[in-house]
Amino acid sequence: EAGVTQSPRYAVLQEGQAVSFWCDPISGHDTLYWYQQPRDQGPQLLVYFRDEAVIDNSQLPSDRFSAVRPKGTNSTLKIQSAKQGDTATYLCASGIANTEVFFGKGTRLTVV
Amino acid sequence: AQSVTQPDARVTVSEGASLQLRCKYSYSGTPYLFWYVQYPRQGLQLLLKYYSGDPVVQGVNGFEAEFIKSNSSFHLRKASVHWSDSAVYFCAVTGYGNEKITFGAGTKLTIKP
Repeated sequence: EAGVTQSPRYAVLQEGQAVSFWCDPISGHDTLYWYQQPRDQGPQLLVYFRDEAVIDNSQLPSDRFSAVRPKGTNSTLKIQSAKQGDTATYLCASGIANTEVFFGKGTRLTVV
Repeated sequence: AQSVTQPDARVTVSEGASLQLRCKYSYSGTPYLFWYVQYPRQGLQLLLKYYSGDPVVQGVNGFEAEFIKSNSSFHLRKASVHWSDSAVYFCAVTGYGNEKITFGAGTKLTIKP
């Protein structure tokens, strides 16, 4: 069974640039999560979906971050006008309602 | 609100020694608890999970954890560590009907030869 796939693995941006991260969850998983993990910290939930619906985006900085999952499968997280404080690893995870989740390898973002 | 506290940011133990990594959680309902491990430049991998029943759960690679409801704890243990256990370990909590999973800050485990 294929795992959660994320791309790109690494991104380096200047402040003010935009970037998109892509996630392909495990087939059949209805729930998809995006986490932000700053260096030496735990994952912090940004947003999660059930199928194509956003269930909780309360921790997503809405003025610059956006996330979609239009067909309830793949998902894209976009950062407009990146800031140095956005430097972190962005993790995508998927699962089936209320069971453990499976993580991708993440995208390590550096904003200089 | 739900939360997880891992009070030890770093733990160092000698190879072959026993290990305990501490986790305290806060959750208003019946918790579901997890331990994940993260190796460098990798995502998180599930070690073990607790939903209900026997409070001692077994995981991969000889790890186990014990759910102590009265203490709101879910400590991770291993009888004899190996150098390959060096990694960062995360405790996480959610609950029945709740898909939001909250992680602790992690404990970085270093194994001395």
